[in-house]
Amino acid sequence: ETGVTQTPRHLVMGMTNKKSLKCEQHLGHNAMYWYKQSAKKPLELMFVYSLEERVENNSVPSRFSPECPNSSHLFLHLHTLQPEDSALYLCASSQETGGGRDHSYEQYFGPGTRLTVT
Amino acid sequence: GIQVEQSPPDLILQEGANSTLRCNFSDSVNNLQWFHQNPWGQLINLFYIPSGTKQNGRLSATTVATERYSLLYISSSQTTDSGVYFCAAVNDYKLSFGAGTTVTVRA
Repeated sequence: ETGVTQTPRHLVMGMTNKKSLKCEQHLGHNAMYWYKQSAKKPLELMFVYSLEERVENNSVPSRFSPECPNSSHLFLHLHTLQPEDSALYLCASSQETGGGRDHSYEQYFGPGTRLTVT
Repeated sequence: GIQVEQSPPDLILQEGANSTLRCNFSDSVNNLQWFHQNPWGQLINLFYIPSGTKQNGRLSATTVATERYSLLYISSSQTTDSGVYFCAAVNDYKLSFGAGTTVTVRA
């Protein structure tokens, strides 16, 4: 138990469906992340939120839409996905303590949502 | 972005054996983490190690930041050590992950 939970754990959706992934962290952190892990590929960073503001969008297609209503919750809204979007989607959180190179970015991950697009 | 390379890609061990996993990174980084991903996909934090050496039970890690590499040591391996081990280098907000080392420990 890492203090980061994700729901649902498994999701099968058609290409015309709309669904949302939810992440919640109980660690008091102020930064949250979405990652994608496809088969045989390294984890790819998708989005970063720090202090509830999106600070990074790593060229992710618009069919993925993140939302961070507060520092404890992060959503990933999905619509009109493609079969190649099938992957494990991981959420993480960390404590961001300001600028510079001397602060802690240790990230803690949730268990992931395994998404299958049919 | 930072490139992270892990070696070897695959490792098969007999239970009780020792092993070393290596992580090279292409640029200076804020910090470095090692993770173990279990068969269900959960990433488990092993070490947060920007420099120096840390030990946790049968596992230990060493990072030499000036030479841009980190090592993970597994001693007296057990079947429960099987899985994928990832190294991730931290720069600003981002973790850049290596491709992982798949470890199989046979009884």
